[in-house]
Amino acid sequence: GEDVEQSLFLSVREGDSSVINCTYTDSSSTYLYWYKQEPGAGLQLLTYIFSNMDMKQDQRLTVLLNKKDKHLSLRIADTQTGDSAIYFCAEFQGAGNMLTFGGGTRLMVKP
Amino acid sequence: GAGVSQSPSNKVTEKGKDVELRCDPISGHTALYWYRQSLGQGLEFLIYFQGNSAPDKSGLPSDRFSAERTGGSVSTLTIQRTQQEDSAVYLCASSIQGQETQYFGPGTRLLVL
Repeated sequence: GEDVEQSLFLSVREGDSSVINCTYTDSSSTYLYWYKQEPGAGLQLLTYIFSNMDMKQDQRLTVLLNKKDKHLSLRIADTQTGDSAIYFCAEFQGAGNMLTFGGGTRLMVKP
Repeated sequence: GAGVSQSPSNKVTEKGKDVELRCDPISGHTALYWYRQSLGQGLEFLIYFQGNSAPDKSGLPSDRFSAERTGGSVSTLTIQRTQQEDSAVYLCASSIQGQETQYFGPGTRLLVL
């Protein structure tokens, strides 16, 4: 299968911006997603971007997509302690009918 | 409206026993997915149901795993003769028609002793 890769860990101070990066390998991906997982919980959809877009903004969240480099990023402005969680990027390949997930980035926000 | 629900939320079983995990998708969603989240393997796709079509079972790890979806709604994932390596969180998701955003349930945490 195709690989989706993320860095394991990110630590920021409250009020700073966080940038979580993701690389993927399948250029045929139609949608790319960001999910958030808090301890003991399921996956919460944060945002997504269609592959023909290069940017999407939703309140404190900004998604950037560089199709040439197959690079996706999630920027969280004014990061709060409640943003501490694991963030997963995922690509949807219509032919496979499934999401392929990265390994997750654990975001720690220090007060 | 109600999201995806799963039961039980936690299950502890002995090695060799069978377990059944249940998923109730969002009303009106025709596509249903099962994924497994484990420490060593991350999030893995298991099986996909779309309406009345034959399911995509390509992600099932062994023939001990099976799933069914009755009446196009509720799904049951069955693991026979459980092994310790089956310990994981089993996540269910649904989407409107299979090409759109997937919404996840809270998961069932399975521990095989």
